[in-house]
Amino acid sequence: QKEVEQDPGPLSVPEGAIVSLNCTYSNSAFQYFMWYRQYSRKGPELLMYTYSSGNKEDGRFTAQVDKSSKYISLFIRDSQPSDSATYLCAMSGGGTSYGKLTFGQGTILTVHP
Amino acid sequence: SQTIHQWPATLVQPVGSPLSLECTVEGTSNPNLYWYRQAAGRGLQLLFYSVGIGQISSEVPQNLSASRPQDRQFILSSKKLLLSDSGFYLCAWSPGHGTEQFFGPGTRLTVL
Repeated sequence: QKEVEQDPGPLSVPEGAIVSLNCTYSNSAFQYFMWYRQYSRKGPELLMYTYSSGNKEDGRFTAQVDKSSKYISLFIRDSQPSDSATYLCAMSGGGTSYGKLTFGQGTILTVHP
Repeated sequence: SQTIHQWPATLVQPVGSPLSLECTVEGTSNPNLYWYRQAAGRGLQLLFYSVGIGQISSEVPQNLSASRPQDRQFILSSKKLLLSDSGFYLCAWSPGHGTEQFFGPGTRLTVL
């Protein structure tokens, strides 16, 4: 079993839709959670970073963490064609892990006009 | 503000040739540095990380090595490339463990 599971999609939605992206994890030591956006042939870009259960909002993006269920989500409101990319969840534990990130496989999202 | 650079952007090398990829970070000091490889299928695999000059930890046994000769410089090397070394190599930095990581633009390596 992978430590982090993420549905690879692909996910195709019309412009203006609300997008929900999800990851589940099995390692209870994970304390820090991130979402990255990666355009084709580019490096991942950090979208959201959180370390507590609950919701964190930044513009059209909301990150949700449920540590009791080991489940994280990213919601994109009013999706735009420019949101078309691969979205990667990532997480890390504390202690001596030195911030090593464990990534999901990524979800390919296409927002069509 | 902080900036991370990688070069070259693309590289095509024959099997058995050496490799040197460079990563530098500007605008911060004593960062944690990381090398990842992203193969087809999008998953990122951590190869090496470093918490200081000369301190390198390897995550997976492989044909590659890493060095950190200066605080903000991280180098990925190989003496003899294999076909399986092809992929997208990403360097990342973080201000400390337990914090977010920021990625560079990547180097696309093709070994023929």
